[in-house]
Amino acid sequence: SQQGEEDPQALSIQEGENATMNCSYKTSINNLQWYRQNSGRGLVHLILIRSNEREKHSGRLRVTLDTSKKSSSLLITASRAADTASYFCATHGSSNTGKLIFGQGTTLQVKP
Amino acid sequence: DAGVIQSPRHEVTEMGQEVTLRCKPISGHNSLFWYRQTMMRGLELLIYFNNNVPIDDSGMPEDRFSAKMPNASFSTLKIQPSEPRDSAVYFCASSSAGYTEAFFGQGTRLTVV
Repeated sequence: SQQGEEDPQALSIQEGENATMNCSYKTSINNLQWYRQNSGRGLVHLILIRSNEREKHSGRLRVTLDTSKKSSSLLITASRAADTASYFCATHGSSNTGKLIFGQGTTLQVKP
Repeated sequence: DAGVIQSPRHEVTEMGQEVTLRCKPISGHNSLFWYRQTMMRGLELLIYFNNNVPIDDSGMPEDRFSAKMPNASFSTLKIQPSEPRDSAVYFCASSSAGYTEAFFGQGTRLTVV
């Protein structure tokens, strides 16, 4: 069974706008990660936020984590057509098994 | 490093045939994951190895699926016999010790006709 649920399932915006994707999870976590997948390709790691962190930045990416609500958000600022892809959140549980469980993903389309 | 290497990239087989998917993780990584991706079910974790030992295979669909990791540089996922509902993209990923990022291969697109 999958741990995370992304919201929305699909998002379409214009180039230059910001894109926000949300992820909810069910069990306690060690960390939460965001990945990107271009069509027909493997997933690429974007950013990792640990359970004791609340916010993290990497370039145009901003991730927040609220462990009390078991939720995270990924913000992509000043989006570009090249950001068009599917975005997945993934969680490492805190039960020390090392399992990495992915959500269903958000498909982002950035129109030029 | 060349990254995680999967082979073949594409596989078309007839129902009932045996299929073997191969994965070479990144050198030095000690965790290896096999995932299956379909439109209907998303990205499912099939099995997870740590130091070549299967830690959790609760995601393996049924006895037709088996996975091995004979050494730190090689893993296989075998389906015998294959069925049309096994058609999917199968990904292998590896990560270093602890709770770190995973590196994915390009996947094997399996079509069972």
